[in-house]
Amino acid sequence: AQSVTQPDIHITVSEGASLELRCNYSYGATPYLFWYVQSPGQGLQLLLKYFSGDTLVQGIKGFEAEFKRSQSSFNLRKPSVHWSDAAEYFCAVGVSGGGADGLTFGKGTHLIIQP
Amino acid sequence: DAGVTQSPTHLIKTRGQQVTLRCSPKSGHDTVSWYQQALGQGPQFIFQYYEEEERQRGNFPDRFSGHQFPNYSSELNVNALLLGDSALYLCASSRRGWETQYFGPGTRLLVL
Repeated sequence: AQSVTQPDIHITVSEGASLELRCNYSYGATPYLFWYVQSPGQGLQLLLKYFSGDTLVQGIKGFEAEFKRSQSSFNLRKPSVHWSDAAEYFCAVGVSGGGADGLTFGKGTHLIIQP
Repeated sequence: DAGVTQSPTHLIKTRGQQVTLRCSPKSGHDTVSWYQQALGQGPQFIFQYYEEEERQRGNFPDRFSGHQFPNYSSELNVNALLLGDSALYLCASSRRGWETQYFGPGTRLLVL
């Protein structure tokens, strides 16, 4: 069965600084990978997804992520964070396209933005 | 275009009771998935419905059951509630074979 590890429970970043959130997955074949963001008391919003092709994917709100097969990683990056980026970030893996399968989520990384 | 909607937003029940949560998918979507998110955890997959049938199920007991209606909306039922069932229940919709699941705002269930 597939699994997702987000090693950082909390990350604190100064506003305007760069950000990288780590995600490692375990799955025997090429997975479908997603990053979602959750604001307090809200549902999940999709930031970006990787299915195949270019390993660097662009998402909404200036986020990007890079798929590295050799490291089983799919880290999320943003060059300059804004106070509104403070939220919980979840990495997820699907094994048959995401639309026809349940997703497996990591435990999340809580992002705190310092002024 | 309305997104995924869920009702109610909040619910308080006592142990042993039964609860029904509702979800309306995004327009054009025919597949509904349910997830349970305990406090401080990532969502966990409960089950998925397509063509009014349960297609896939996560590691949840039979106390959790569901239904999908001809208009693609769905219900999640939980019987014999336990304190540990307290969580945010998320519904996600998608098109069969498409890759992206869109999530609703969730129903927060508190079991006392």
